[in-house]
Amino acid sequence: DSGVTQTPKHLITATGQRVTLRCSPRSGDLSVYWYQQSLDQGLQFLIQYYNGEERAKGNILERFSAQQFPDLHSELNLSSLELGDSALYFCASSAEPGLASADTQYFGPGTRLTVL
Amino acid sequence: AQSVTQLGSHVSVSEGALVLLRCNYSSSVPPYLFWYVQYPNQGLQLLLKYTSAATLVKGINGFEAEFKKSETSFHLTKPSAHMSDAAEYFCAVSEKPGAQKLVFGQGTRLTINP
Repeated sequence: DSGVTQTPKHLITATGQRVTLRCSPRSGDLSVYWYQQSLDQGLQFLIQYYNGEERAKGNILERFSAQQFPDLHSELNLSSLELGDSALYFCASSAEPGLASADTQYFGPGTRLTVL
Repeated sequence: AQSVTQLGSHVSVSEGALVLLRCNYSSSVPPYLFWYVQYPNQGLQLLLKYTSAATLVKGINGFEAEFKKSETSFHLTKPSAHMSDAAEYFCAVSEKPGAQKLVFGQGTRLTINP
């Protein structure tokens, strides 16, 4: 158990809908990362938040957005869903730079999104 | 830009045989390198990491990897495969540990034959 939790575990929805994926980082970790794992694109970085602020953006679609709340949990919002958005979405967290294990990202179990 | 290439999307070995999973990276700055393992229907678990200390890195479950700058490689090895090693393995690179995104390879699915 990495200490990173994600809910829900599975999500099935229809095209055009909007969903929210939730992530709670390890206790004390300030950085949260979102990744998408799909069969055709592999594992791709979407976005990073650090202590509530967006730190880096990757291959994230405009239909997708994220935020990190004061209690450090994060949500990834996916809207106007398309069949191609079906994937496994992972959240990871890491400790503040300078602290022990800051060089490691710890991954949650993922949310499997199926768009029908 | 950084990139990772994992040679062989599928590797099959017999139980007790050597496991060798290949990873080559491209980075314009000194890289930080990681191997993660993904068991079926689970998240990613860190196996080992190279963050500019010893070039031979030992990880969990008997795995190790050697950073070779001249070959831009970070191959993962295990002397003797066990059935429980069957999983998907991902090599990843970042510019700075912990504070930067990970760029992953396409993954290598390891199958262990009895």
